[in-house]
Amino acid sequence: AQTVTQSQPEMSVQEAETVTLSCTYDTSENNYYLFWYKQPPSRQMILVIRQEAYKQQNATENRFSVNFQKAAKSFSLKISDSQLGDTAMYFCAFEGGADGLTFGKGTHLIIQP
Amino acid sequence: AAGVIQSPRHLIKEKRETATLKCYPIPRHDTVYWYQQGPGQDPQFLISFYEKMQSDKGSIPDRFSAQQFSDYHSELNMSSLELGDSALYFCASTLRRRDTQYFGPGTRLTVL
Repeated sequence: AQTVTQSQPEMSVQEAETVTLSCTYDTSENNYYLFWYKQPPSRQMILVIRQEAYKQQNATENRFSVNFQKAAKSFSLKISDSQLGDTAMYFCAFEGGADGLTFGKGTHLIIQP
Repeated sequence: AAGVIQSPRHLIKEKRETATLKCYPIPRHDTVYWYQQGPGQDPQFLISFYEKMQSDKGSIPDRFSAQQFSDYHSELNMSSLELGDSALYFCASTLRRRDTQYFGPGTRLTVL
């Protein structure tokens, strides 16, 4: 079974700063996918970014980018020019041999004005 | 763009009652997943369906059952409800298995 670990329960940064959220995972799978989902106070689960394990190039989506280190089993999320609307719980998730996503415990990110 | 639809959005039940949650996937999506998120917890995978057949099973209690219908919508049936079943229940759908999962807004179930 795979595990996903997010070691930062809560982070707080000033608006416009850059912040990096950490995620590590453990798996014996070779083909898998990694995701970051955002859950704002509305509790909606919103996809932020996706990374295929077979791709060496790090995924980017506008202000969001990842640092994927397959050998180290690390998948961090960088948010540039942070905005107040980025305040949310961020979940790292793994999809491997089974259908369902395995989530980390989440990081509560607070953007201060 | 059309999103995943879940109904009802809120549901209040008494202990030992039954509940049925419905999920309507994004059009053309053939795979549906159910998750349970307790207060302050991460979502836990319950069960998935692909082309109307059960595809994978997670930590779904025996008191719960689910199915996917010919129009690809899915229903999660919950019986003998317990206080611990109070949670946010998400449905997600994908165009095909192992693709990106898009989540619905969730159904908030409160068991009194």
